[in-house]
Amino acid sequence: DTGVSQNPRHKITKRGQNVTFRCDPISEHNRLYWYRQTLGQGPEFLTYFQNEAQLEKSRLLSDRFSAERPKGSFSTLEIQRTEQGDSAMYLCASSFPRTGRGNEQFFGPGTRLTVL
Amino acid sequence: AQKITQTQPGMFVQEKEAVTLDCTYDTSDPSYGLFWYKQPSSGEMIFLIYQGSYDQQNATEGRYSLNFQKARKSANLVISASQLGDSAMYFCAMREGPGDDKIIFGKGTRLHILP
Repeated sequence: DTGVSQNPRHKITKRGQNVTFRCDPISEHNRLYWYRQTLGQGPEFLTYFQNEAQLEKSRLLSDRFSAERPKGSFSTLEIQRTEQGDSAMYLCASSFPRTGRGNEQFFGPGTRLTVL
Repeated sequence: AQKITQTQPGMFVQEKEAVTLDCTYDTSDPSYGLFWYKQPSSGEMIFLIYQGSYDQQNATEGRYSLNFQKARKSANLVISASQLGDSAMYFCAMREGPGDDKIIFGKGTRLHILP
């Protein structure tokens, strides 16, 4: 399978714990994005990378959130001191800029986080 | 103000009929792109179709077409000959500017195809 993969698919944690998610993009894609989706809403942009450089961070990304893409391939999203409001689906997407299709982003299956 | 507005929370359509999902957008940037994504119950976002603001013709991809009315800031998705497998959430989304890569999504429309 050459699509975007995310691990774990589900994570249940207690409030105050730290969690880390991983995203493996499509291999030739140099851009990687993180989104968060809560129930009944569309995905909300969190941050994105071009290669290993983090180019933009949303105001939604509080100090408890950190994302890395150390070698320009896979990325990790860490949430420290989780809160119940962090419960959501965390989606990763990747793209390779090209003309004609608007730099379409290919999404992974997501990691569903439940904070108890 | 919302950047992307989808006014239909849910729709029920008979199988084999055509369906139009509404989307209006708000931007002052002359360069932007519009997307439609499908999200089945499995959760994965599936790209359907893209329309650039400077594209002269409406985009088509198989059974999907985008009815782009620039003056009205409207980008409706038309699905021809609907199938049971089309039942899903559908999101309209926009990218603003040629260099701004993040996508802003609407709240979605849940489409139910009836046998």
